[in-house]
Amino acid sequence: DTGVSQDPRHKITKRGQNVTFRCDPISEHNRLYWYRQTLGQGPEFLTYFQNEAQLEKSRLLSDRFSAERPKGSFSTLEIQRTEQGDSAMYLCASSLSLQGYEQYFGPGTRLTVT
Amino acid sequence: DAKTTQPPSMDCAEGRAANLPCNHSTISGNEYVYWYRQIHSQGPQYIIHGLKNNETNEMASLIITEDRKSSTLILPHATLRDTAVYYCIVRVGTASKLTFGTGTRLQVTL
Repeated sequence: DTGVSQDPRHKITKRGQNVTFRCDPISEHNRLYWYRQTLGQGPEFLTYFQNEAQLEKSRLLSDRFSAERPKGSFSTLEIQRTEQGDSAMYLCASSLSLQGYEQYFGPGTRLTVT
Repeated sequence: DAKTTQPPSMDCAEGRAANLPCNHSTISGNEYVYWYRQIHSQGPQYIIHGLKNNETNEMASLIITEDRKSSTLILPHATLRDTAVYYCIVRVGTASKLTFGTGTRLQVTL
């Protein structure tokens, strides 16, 4: 098992463009989470899925953000009409609901909006 | 979830024990104490968690006070690779999200 993977690792985009990030969780993990981390702060929760169902969304997830997890496997996070304030590290994590305790994090996607 | 308070930074000599404190005075009876760490440019890594008993695994020990209002994470023999930001998180056991604070930046030195 190679752990949680995220793609791309880095993304530079111009303000107003749309970007999409992908997360591949650990095989058979049915829970998948997205977090955002800005410089000097701890990660902030954005949303989470159990299988393909999106069960919770943070108020941080504005209407420009959308996340999907088709077929309960990989997930995508899309940001439309990016703003400079969207510049951050976007982290994905996965876990098994049966255990529920440990979340395994990927390396993150660093987004820079110019 | 209950709020946690941690010192912003600590230093530790390599080979010595690193004791990282955390205050969680408003913790509820069904809330667990979790510790994660984040090495520079990596995602957070789970270390250990506990409810009220002390816990130990291959990475660390977790000491929770009897009133559960504070805890200490112990790295018994710190190495340079333990340099990281350590986050203490209080969370209901079956809850989904983790609520991170700003953590303690541990610097292990020669």
